[in-house]
Amino acid sequence: SQQGEEDPQALSIQEGENATMNCSYKTSINNLQWYRQNSGRGLVHLILIRSNEREKHSGRLRVTLDTSKKSSSLLITASRAADTASYFCATRYGGYQKVTFGIGTKLQVIP
Amino acid sequence: EAGVTQSPTHLIKTRGQQVTLRCSPISGHTSVYWYQQALGLGLQFLLWYDEGEERNRGNFPPRFSGRQFPNYSSELNVNALELEDSALYLCASSFAGTRSNQPQHFGDGTRLSIL
Repeated sequence: SQQGEEDPQALSIQEGENATMNCSYKTSINNLQWYRQNSGRGLVHLILIRSNEREKHSGRLRVTLDTSKKSSSLLITASRAADTASYFCATRYGGYQKVTFGIGTKLQVIP
Repeated sequence: EAGVTQSPTHLIKTRGQQVTLRCSPISGHTSVYWYQQALGLGLQFLLWYDEGEERNRGNFPPRFSGRQFPNYSSELNVNALELEDSALYLCASSFAGTRSNQPQHFGDGTRLSIL
């Protein structure tokens, strides 16, 4: 089964609004990463947060990590139509450094 | 800097055939990962190669196999194709997999359609 699960599976907002996506996972992790995928393309790495970090920022992106709840959230502020994409969380864990992706949140930003 | 390149971009095969997909990692990256993304689904981990060795394998049958060459490029082979193998096959590369805080960089994938 997938290590990470994103919530919601789909999100539709107006341009300028904030978008929040959540990710829950099951086992202890080394780090958690967020990726974006435009339709039919490869994934683009957005941000990595280590297990000993609680919050990280990159431009309009803010990621939080709560290891006690085994969850993370990705906040996109002041969304733009170009942010329309699927967003995946990926967790890296275990001695063999497995990386497991969730099923993604499909974000639609309406101009 | 050239990104991860995959070939071909699209492929149409029939049931029972065999296919080989290719991936060239970013220069300096020694780890290559393969994923299967069926329509509307998440990424399913297939294989991880590092320094020419298979390091880990996902829950796929043995007809999915691959290898990594001395120049760190990689091939994914799928034998006896089935209809459910239709998917986007994504390759990613990173610095050595043991360096855990390294992100993966993805190619744009090979779209495989089985008729």
